[in-house]
Amino acid sequence: QSALTQPASVSGSPGQSITISCPGTSSDVGASNYVSWYQQHPGKAPKLMIYDVSNRPSGVSNRFSGSKSGNTASLTISGLQAEDEADYYCASYTTTNTLLFGGGTKLTVL
Amino acid sequence: EVQLVESGGGLVQPGGSLRLSCAASGFTFSSVSMSWVRQAPGKGLEWVAAIKEGAGEKYYLDSVKGRFTVSRDNAKNSLYLQMDSLRAEDTAVYYCARFRTRVDDWGQGTLVIVSS
Repeated sequence: QSALTQPASVSGSPGQSITISCPGTSSDVGASNYVSWYQQHPGKAPKLMIYDVSNRPSGVSNRFSGSKSGNTASLTISGLQAEDEADYYCASYTTTNTLLFGGGTKLTVL
Repeated sequence: EVQLVESGGGLVQPGGSLRLSCAASGFTFSSVSMSWVRQAPGKGLEWVAAIKEGAGEKYYLDSVKGRFTVSRDNAKNSLYLQMDSLRAEDTAVYYCARFRTRVDDWGQGTLVIVSS
């Protein structure tokens, strides 16, 4: 299965809000309530930011929110901060018990 | 605190084998599914394999089926990935991960380089 398609890059100024989309198909994102999002800073391991489409793990800022409409999942970051600059990956748990990642989006805080 | 510590990475020739290990602590290892996720240099994340709590069910990325074998030793709180018939495209950082329908926790990764 091919990776989910994410925009290669997005950018925003401090204090602004940005949204990263994760378009899938009716066989993956559209069929799954198990969409997750990960943040990865350079040289570091990824970190879970959103799970089950819209839930935040303990300790993750409420500036991060997730949603899904049809076959597309989205991650919104409000009140952008410099430390939000990182790579972001979406993922969908599939009906065959595998995890399908998106290609990743590089967020630049201007 | 959950800790996942990978080891076993290194340089191997194409066609060679390598065994990765992951030592887990800070949670009840025998009660959770585990997974391996890799990241080629400068590339995105790619899920590789997963194994259920009892080790009876295993799942693999299509491109590694028949070449990689995931296993676990619940008595030793350890996860393994036996990698055979390695190819250049298997070059990546391999992360050990606590896995359900998402990756809850990640190790720091171990680098595997397949090159002659």
